[in-house]
Amino acid sequence: KAGVTQTPRYLIKTRGQQVTLSCSPISGHRSVSWYQQTPGQGLQFLFEYFSETQRNKGNFPGRFSGRQFSNSRSEMNVSTLELGDSALYLCASSLLKEDRAFFGQGTRLTVV
Amino acid sequence: KNQVEQSPQSLIILEGKNCTLQCNYTVSPFSNLRWYKQDTGRGPVSLTIMTFSENTKSNGRYTATLDADTKQSSLHITASQLSDSASYICVVSGDYKLSFGAGTTVTVRA
Repeated sequence: KAGVTQTPRYLIKTRGQQVTLSCSPISGHRSVSWYQQTPGQGLQFLFEYFSETQRNKGNFPGRFSGRQFSNSRSEMNVSTLELGDSALYLCASSLLKEDRAFFGQGTRLTVV
Repeated sequence: KNQVEQSPQSLIILEGKNCTLQCNYTVSPFSNLRWYKQDTGRGPVSLTIMTFSENTKSNGRYTATLDADTKQSSLHITASQLSDSASYICVVSGDYKLSFGAGTTVTVRA
């Protein structure tokens, strides 16, 4: 059974650009969550989707948005990139919200 | 505000020795507590998950304990190996939200 797949693995963007990250959950998993991880802040919750609906949202500005498709695949978009957005972005999927979450390898975003 | 506090922030141990990581939380309501291992540059991997009624769970050389009354958990690593060098993150689930600790960085030296 394939794990959580995130693409791309690495990305370099310049300030002001926008970026879209992709996450394919484990087959059958309907819950997908996104996290930002930086050395100073640890893991910060961005948002969680379940059956194409956003169920929870963290304390991030509106530049961060996401969506989930009918096949449970999810995308995260960040507009007007800032240097501080440089981080490892992790996606996690689970069968149900309270189940064990399986993480992808992450997308390392560098904003220059 | 729900919080998860981990200690120590980092530790160095010799290969073959044991160590214990601590996690205190104030999350309420409580659903479950999870320990994850994260190697540098990779996504976290689940080690254990415990519900309110479970007070210990093992996964190989990793043993997690939970005291739901005092809201404390520990992760014990037995006979450490070089591959145990990683960040260990305590995650508490409650009210359909996950609260993350800052992690403990463990370095195992030969």
